[in-house]
Amino acid sequence: KNQVEQSPQSLIILEGKNCTLQCNYTVSPFSNLRWYKQDTGRGPVSLTIMTFSENTKSNGRYTATLDADTKQSSLHITASQLSDSASYICVAAFGGYNKLIFGAGTRLAVHP
Amino acid sequence: EAGVTQFPSHSVIEKGQTVTLRCDPISGHDNLYWYRRVMGKEIKFLLHFVKESKQDESGMPNNRFLAERTGGTYSTLKVQPAELEDSGVYFCASSQGLGGAGKTQYFGPGTRLLVL
Repeated sequence: KNQVEQSPQSLIILEGKNCTLQCNYTVSPFSNLRWYKQDTGRGPVSLTIMTFSENTKSNGRYTATLDADTKQSSLHITASQLSDSASYICVAAFGGYNKLIFGAGTRLAVHP
Repeated sequence: EAGVTQFPSHSVIEKGQTVTLRCDPISGHDNLYWYRRVMGKEIKFLLHFVKESKQDESGMPNNRFLAERTGGTYSTLKVQPAELEDSGVYFCASSQGLGGAGKTQYFGPGTRLLVL
C-alpha cells in the first residue's frame, strides 16, 4: 500500500532554535520526494523536490535529506522564525505522471 | 504572474444540493490536479488533467463528482448531489510541461466546502 508517515504530529520550539521533522514513505515505483509548507487557510507551497539520486537539497533555512534505501526523509529547519509556524507536509510521488501521496503533516509552532 | 486561483473560497450547502468549484491554473500550465482534504485526514488525490484530457481520475470518490476542463484552461468540479461526507477542503494545483514528472505543483488556496 502506498503511504507516507510523518513524525512528530506536532512540535513547539522557541524562536531561533533548530528542529528536524521526519518522514517514512512506501510508494512504488518511487519517483521523487517533496516537502511542502502549508500556512493556515492557504494552499501548500513547495519547499524541495528530491529524486532517488539526491540525498540532500536546501532552500534557504530549510534542508531536506533523502535516504532512498531506507525510504526515509527529513526536513531540518535552521534558526527558526515565527513565520515558520505552519504545517509541513511530506509527499511521495510515484509513477510516470508523479501521482502524489501526502503525509498527514507535522504542525510546527515557533514561540517567541 | 498570478498564481492558481479557486472560487469560491467557502461554500455552505445542504445535503442533496449541487455545488460547482472552479479552478484557474497558472497560465500555460498543461497539468491541472484536484485534491481533497477531509477533516483530520491527509490531502488525497482526486484527478489529473493534461490539457483538456483526463489523465488519471482514479481518486474520484464516486459518480457524484464530475470534473471538466474545457479548452484546457480553467477546470470545474461539480458535486451532485452533495452528501455530508463531501465536506472538506478542495485544492487545485497546476504544473508546467507534459507528463508532470518531477515538476513543482503550485497549489491554490482551496475551497472550503461544508455540507449540512
